[in-house]
Amino acid sequence: SQTIHQWPATLVQPVGSPLSLECTVEGTSNPNLYWYRQAAGRGLQLLFYSVGIGQISSEVPQNLSASRPQDRQFILSSKKLLLSDSGFYLCAWKKSGNTIYFGEGSWLTVV
Amino acid sequence: AQTVTQSQPEMSVQEAETVTLSCTYDTSENNYYLFWYKQPPSRQMILVIRQEAYKQQNATENRFSVNFQKAAKSFSLKISDSQLGDTAMYFCAFMKHVASGGSNYKLTFGKGTLLTVNP
Repeated sequence: SQTIHQWPATLVQPVGSPLSLECTVEGTSNPNLYWYRQAAGRGLQLLFYSVGIGQISSEVPQNLSASRPQDRQFILSSKKLLLSDSGFYLCAWKKSGNTIYFGEGSWLTVV
Repeated sequence: AQTVTQSQPEMSVQEAETVTLSCTYDTSENNYYLFWYKQPPSRQMILVIRQEAYKQQNATENRFSVNFQKAAKSFSLKISDSQLGDTAMYFCAFMKHVASGGSNYKLTFGKGTLLTVNP
């Protein structure tokens, strides 16, 4: 069966520091991959999606970037974090069928 | 652009009773998919139920069912025999196919309804 993992689960970082959140999908190949952010008290916002290795589409201009160095690995990065980057980040995947499945999420607090 | 509206920020229901969560959406698409996701305090996003727009029959998953009204662009979730474990934030989501150099689908979420099941 397919599973998705993302880490770290919790992260506290100072303003101006770099960020790297990783996500890995197991049990499938060539999935569509997504990064969503959920700010406090708000819904989910799509940040990036990828349909293949090295292919990244950005939904909103921001301080973040994404990369897909391997088929089942999706990384969310920042060179210098802002306070406004705080939130709950969810990685998600889709293969066959029309349903998107989510990882456990990562809490990021920028202080 | 697609929008999803959940007009009830919070709702509460007594254990074993039935509750309905509302969702409306706006789209010019004819083929799309609708979902309800549940986010308990653990924050993991869990799929509750899915509806294909081309299907007239309402989807059902055990105690969860939807009332899909395509012409009205309405997609409500009914939870029967509510249980304490149903306490969570519930998100309605819309997905259409986006063809941009490759096959892809994107979800658009509503802002959520916080459901509390009281003992």
